[in-house]
Amino acid sequence: QKEVEQNSGPLSVPEGAIASLNCTYSDRGSQSFFWYRQYSGKSPELIMFIYSNGDKEDGRFTAQLNKASQYVSLLIRDSQPSDSATYLCAVLSGSARQLTFGSGTQLTVLP
Amino acid sequence: NAGVTQTPKFQVLKTGQSMTLQCAQDMNHNSMYWYRQDPGMGLRLIYYSASEGTTDKGEVPNGYNVSRLNKREFSLRLESAAPSQTSVYFCASSANSDTQYFGPGTRLTVL
Repeated sequence: QKEVEQNSGPLSVPEGAIASLNCTYSDRGSQSFFWYRQYSGKSPELIMFIYSNGDKEDGRFTAQLNKASQYVSLLIRDSQPSDSATYLCAVLSGSARQLTFGSGTQLTVLP
Repeated sequence: NAGVTQTPKFQVLKTGQSMTLQCAQDMNHNSMYWYRQDPGMGLRLIYYSASEGTTDKGEVPNGYNVSRLNKREFSLRLESAAPSQTSVYFCASSANSDTQYFGPGTRLTVL
């Protein structure tokens, strides 16, 4: 069983809608949670990180963390075609403090 | 600041050839990482260096060696390349084994 699970998609939303991306993790000792965006042929780019239960907002992006249910989500409000990319969830856990990545969710925002 | 740089950007090898991938960061980060990314597999950690002078194996270390040359530079060596090592390789760095920043990647094909 993969330690970090994401729906691979593809997920399609119309321009202006809210895109919701979900991620579950298996290690209850996980400490920090990250969302990266990766455009095709490019490297992962950090969007947000969250450490505590609840919501964290940054512009059009909101990260939500629920440690009891072991899930973390990313909401993108007012989605734009430029948001079309693969979104990677990453979880920091273990004494070695290594990041474990999900396989990513491919998002397409339709004009 | 250039952030994290990697050379080369592209490389084609024949089975059995060797090569070294170079990575450098100018953010004064303590930790550096090497990942490979394959379709549908997400990012997998090959080796990491928590601080200058230390290196440790990640999830998929077989067939690779690393050198933390100094605080700025972390190289990845393939001694005898195999077709299974065809992948995109990313170097990353972080200040304290937390938020990671990625280089542009090296696309390697082994024939």
